[in-house]
Amino acid sequence: SAVISQKPSRDICQRGTSLTIQCQVDSQVTMMFWYRQQPGQSLTLIATANQGSEATYESGFVIDKFPISRPNLTFSTLTVSNMSPEDSSIYLCSVGGGSGGTDTQYFGPGTRLTVL
Amino acid sequence: TQLLEQSPQFLSIQEGENLTVYCNSSSVFSSLQWYRQEPGEGPVLLVTVVTGGEVKKLKRLTFQFGDARKDSSLHITAAQTGDTGLYLCAGEERGANNLFFGTGTRLTVIP
Repeated sequence: SAVISQKPSRDICQRGTSLTIQCQVDSQVTMMFWYRQQPGQSLTLIATANQGSEATYESGFVIDKFPISRPNLTFSTLTVSNMSPEDSSIYLCSVGGGSGGTDTQYFGPGTRLTVL
Repeated sequence: TQLLEQSPQFLSIQEGENLTVYCNSSSVFSSLQWYRQEPGEGPVLLVTVVTGGEVKKLKRLTFQFGDARKDSSLHITAAQTGDTGLYLCAGEERGANNLFFGTGTRLTVIP
């Protein structure tokens, strides 16, 4: 298993500003994932981040809005840029635990973002 | 994006009752996982099923993967208040690098 921490755990931000969320894993992992979970809803994958390459974004998400860094095998950041109230969500990072990278995913506790 | 529909969306039952949550898709998955998420936390994996028709039991929880690997169910016997949470199914397609999460079932067990 993997232990994952996220910072900040929550934040309240003003419209038009940006917030960078950090994700730290206690072991080296190849694949990291960033999800958004809107209130009371399921998880939507934003992007997959592999160390040493650019992140792969899902339909509806773009790098300009959600830039991602993956400087090493234990750390990643997601920035929510030029925020609007529609960006209010829980943002979760996860790592794949299986040999294929996705057999099991371990999740961080999430970052609850509120945009005013 | 593959759609995994869960039903019911909300479920409120008395402690001691039984319940079943369904996860359905038109897509075939190489594996299917069930997670439970509690407020303020990330989802936690309960089980992974990989073989069509497979049944797995974890204490009071029984998971079944459909023969065609397109659907799954979660049955809880004698529900307890600690079972309260958001239950999510997630499917992995062969060759894909990510999971597709279901729409979620929010379970409340009333003492």
